[in-house]
Amino acid sequence: QQQVKQSPQSLIVQKGGISIINCAYENTAFDYFPWYQQFPGKGPALLIAIRPDVSEKKEGRFTISFNKSAKQFSLHIMDSQPGDSATYFCAARGQGAQKLVFGQGTRLTINP
Amino acid sequence: DVKVTQSSRYLVKRTGEKVFLECVQDMDHENMFWYRQDPGLGLRLIYFSYDVKMKEKGDIPEGYSVSREKKERFSLILESASTNQTSMYLCASRKGRIPYGYTFGSGTRLTVV
Repeated sequence: QQQVKQSPQSLIVQKGGISIINCAYENTAFDYFPWYQQFPGKGPALLIAIRPDVSEKKEGRFTISFNKSAKQFSLHIMDSQPGDSATYFCAARGQGAQKLVFGQGTRLTINP
Repeated sequence: DVKVTQSSRYLVKRTGEKVFLECVQDMDHENMFWYRQDPGLGLRLIYFSYDVKMKEKGDIPEGYSVSREKKERFSLILESASTNQTSMYLCASRKGRIPYGYTFGSGTRLTVV
């Protein structure tokens, strides 16, 4: 119930392409869904987040798509750049909960 | 610039040693967290603290304890290090109940030999 399942584990995309990372959850009490980006040697940093009352949120080249009925959400990176190469984590928070539950992570490589 | 500082970037310890991982934040955040990061498993919560001297177990507390004597400092303690505790350890802090307000440290890579 507390799990968030993330796929794929690794992803290679050509420069300029679209990168798509998917997450699925079971707990319908989750009310906040962030994505974190982690570069080598650094801690994760918040990239973009969404609440379940909207189906899409866009910030620059990054978009979260949210499907409440399917209990799935995904990160789309448009016009992917080598500087986007990093590990990405989806996460979820239960309503009123103190903690985030993280997905397994996706190592994204953008080839120049 | 707000910061979460982890005292060591790399640590190598022997099996059975008592290990202390230190984390300090300068943002006056109430909440502090210790996560463990392993490939294919993501970030798993070990312990968190929502106030000085308060602590709660996360998802994988076995073999660990924590200490929070001051608001800015949160320590993770491995009572008797084992090789299966070789991992990257990440500290984070967050102000109040703001869900997006997590700040992570850069991590401590611990190797137990």
